[in-house]
Amino acid sequence: GENVEQHPSTLSVQEGDSAVIKCTYSDSASNYFPWYKQELGKRPQLIIDIRSNVGEKKDQRIAVTLNKTAKHFSLHITETQPEDSAVYFCALNSGNTPLVFGKGTRLSVIA
Amino acid sequence: KAGVTQTPRYLIKTRGQQVTLSCSPISGHRSVSWYQQTPGQGLQFLFEYFSETQRNKGNFPGRFSGRQFSNSRSEMNVSTLELGDSALYLCASSLVGQQTETQYFGPGTRLLVL
Repeated sequence: GENVEQHPSTLSVQEGDSAVIKCTYSDSASNYFPWYKQELGKRPQLIIDIRSNVGEKKDQRIAVTLNKTAKHFSLHITETQPEDSAVYFCALNSGNTPLVFGKGTRLSVIA
Repeated sequence: KAGVTQTPRYLIKTRGQQVTLSCSPISGHRSVSWYQQTPGQGLQFLFEYFSETQRNKGNFPGRFSGRQFSNSRSEMNVSTLELGDSALYLCASSLVGQQTETQYFGPGTRLLVL
């Protein structure tokens, strides 16, 4: 089945700096790429998603970019704040298969 | 609308026992997926139900099973529990489970097997 590699597994940034998390995949049929944020002890929540007919999508301080040729997509968080500290998961759909998740990135924003 | 709910929130069982977890999707959602979340493996897909039928299944042993009722509520069952089954079990619902639909997660059931 499809596999998605997520890097880095942990990331520490100073408050106000930017954070970038990257995911790579292999199935060119993948066409939906959501990102979920999971705070400690809470459920994963969708923060942004992108579909394969779009190269970039932005929502305030969060953006996702997709490079279908190179088969990778990235989450960008600008002006990070302590409340951005959480585990972030990338995911993708490939054909009619269910969502496949990356193993997660633990982001720590240091005040 | 009320979000996805799961019961119970916490469970402690011993090896060899069985357990049943319940998930109530968002009203109107007909697709329910189940995931196992562990620190080392992230979220792994167990199965998906739509209109009371299992539509997709992940790579888990037959000890893991599920079902969906006519009101879209879903249950999953794990028989002959093993220590390695200790995990957070999450369910997620979506309208019809199309590949580009947003999935909404429940709070999870944390299962500890002793």
